[in-house]
Amino acid sequence: DQQVKQNSPSLSVQEGRISILNCDYTNSMFDYFLWYKKYPAEGPTFLISISSIKDKNEDGRFTVFLNKSAKHLSLHIVPSQPGDSAVYFCAASVSETSGSRLTFGEGTQLTVNP
Amino acid sequence: KAGVTQTPRYLIKTRGQQVTLSCSPISGHRSVSWYQQTPGQGLQFLFEYFSETQRNKGNFPGRFSGRQFSNSRSEMNVSTLELGDSALYLCASSLASSKNIQYFGAGTRLSVL
Repeated sequence: DQQVKQNSPSLSVQEGRISILNCDYTNSMFDYFLWYKKYPAEGPTFLISISSIKDKNEDGRFTVFLNKSAKHLSLHIVPSQPGDSAVYFCAASVSETSGSRLTFGEGTQLTVNP
Repeated sequence: KAGVTQTPRYLIKTRGQQVTLSCSPISGHRSVSWYQQTPGQGLQFLFEYFSETQRNKGNFPGRFSGRQFSNSRSEMNVSTLELGDSALYLCASSLASSKNIQYFGAGTRLSVL
C-alpha cells in the first residue's frame, strides 16, 4: 500500500523556468510533510517542510503548497537552475504516533536544462 | 558541525552471511532512523531508535535488527543475508521530537552475491 505517491518519475524544464513537482497521499493522519532532494552517491538533503495547519511555506526559491482536502502537495522551484537537477522525494509523517518515521514517495528525477 | 556519518560506504557480502552497519548522528541528535532504498521499493523505513530504545519499527523481517548506544551512535545488523537485501542503507538523525527534520548520511551500499 503506497501511502505517498509521486506519479511523475521524471520532469524536464528549462533553466529560469518554474519546476513543479507533485505528490499525493492517502493517509489522512499525515500531518507533517517534507521535501528532500538526492544527488547520486549522496544521502537525501532536506529542502523544505510544511505542517498540516498551513497551506503554504516558502524558503527562497522553494515553495511547498499543501491541499489537505485533495491530499496533495506540490513543490515549486522558481527560477530553476541546472544545479537543481536531482531526484526529489516527498515524505510524510504522523507526528503523534509514528515518532520520526517518514513515509516516502518514489521520487521524481528533475532535469534542468541550460 | 559534522553531519551524519555512515560506515562503511560500500560492502560486499555473500548469501547467508551477516553484516553490521554503523551510523554516527549529528552531535546532540538523539533520534536515529534507518531506511532501505532499492530501485523497486524506494525508500522504506526500517526502525527508529531514541535514547537507546526502539521507538518505531517498519515491516521488515526479524533478520533486520538494530541498537543504539548511550552516545546515540547506532548500528544495524542483517543476519542470514539474501540477494534481495542488496540496497542502499541510509541512516538519519534528528533532535528529538517527531517534527524535527531528519538529516541523512551518505549511506552504505550493500551488495549481496
